[in-house]
Amino acid sequence: NAGVTQTPKFRILKIGQSMTLQCTQDMNHNYMYWYRQDPGMGLKLIYYSVGAGITDKGEVPNGYNVSRSTTEDFPLRLELAAPSQTSVYFCASSYSSGGGSNTGELFFGEGSRLTVL
Amino acid sequence: AQSVSQHNHHVILSEAASLELGCNYSYGGTVNLFWYVQYPGQHLQLLLKYFSGDPLVKGIKGFEAEFIKSKFSFNLRKPSVQWSDTAEYFCAVRSGNTGKLIFGQGTTLQVKP
Repeated sequence: NAGVTQTPKFRILKIGQSMTLQCTQDMNHNYMYWYRQDPGMGLKLIYYSVGAGITDKGEVPNGYNVSRSTTEDFPLRLELAAPSQTSVYFCASSYSSGGGSNTGELFFGEGSRLTVL
Repeated sequence: AQSVSQHNHHVILSEAASLELGCNYSYGGTVNLFWYVQYPGQHLQLLLKYFSGDPLVKGIKGFEAEFIKSKFSFNLRKPSVQWSDTAEYFCAVRSGNTGKLIFGQGTTLQVKP
């Protein structure tokens, strides 16, 4: 199992450019998430999905879009990059939302470091 | 809205010192609680988790945490830290049925050899 795979690992964008961060998992997890990590701020949830075809906003969705056409893939799109989107982005997945004996532990990818200049 | 607060932003310890990192959350219902660790340049890894039962949970690498419901706290402890424990530590809480975790701001631990 590769787990959660994110690409690219590093990217520099100019203001106004667009790009897609790719995320794929091979654990057959229903739940997937995108977080951004900024120094001293912890991780903030951008978007999440509870299954193919279903997505919802997290704490900081502005400037981003997602889609979930398959169980495995959960790409994050930046349409008009802004300096405020300079961050490290983490994709994560979990088998369930928790409950019973399953705590719904999140498994994280290695992160994508994005710089917008 | 739910929130998670970690009181210590930056902790510096010498090897063999004891560690306690504070974590408080704001939510009155049933919660699942987690501590994740992020070693320099790496992704987040689960240290330990609590979902029910014994409020004292043990994780990997000698870490443990105690859930105190009356104080809405889930503090992380280790009796004797090592240089290799240098990392950033995140407390997280989940409630509801969407699976999403709310993270605290993180605590950077620096252990001096």
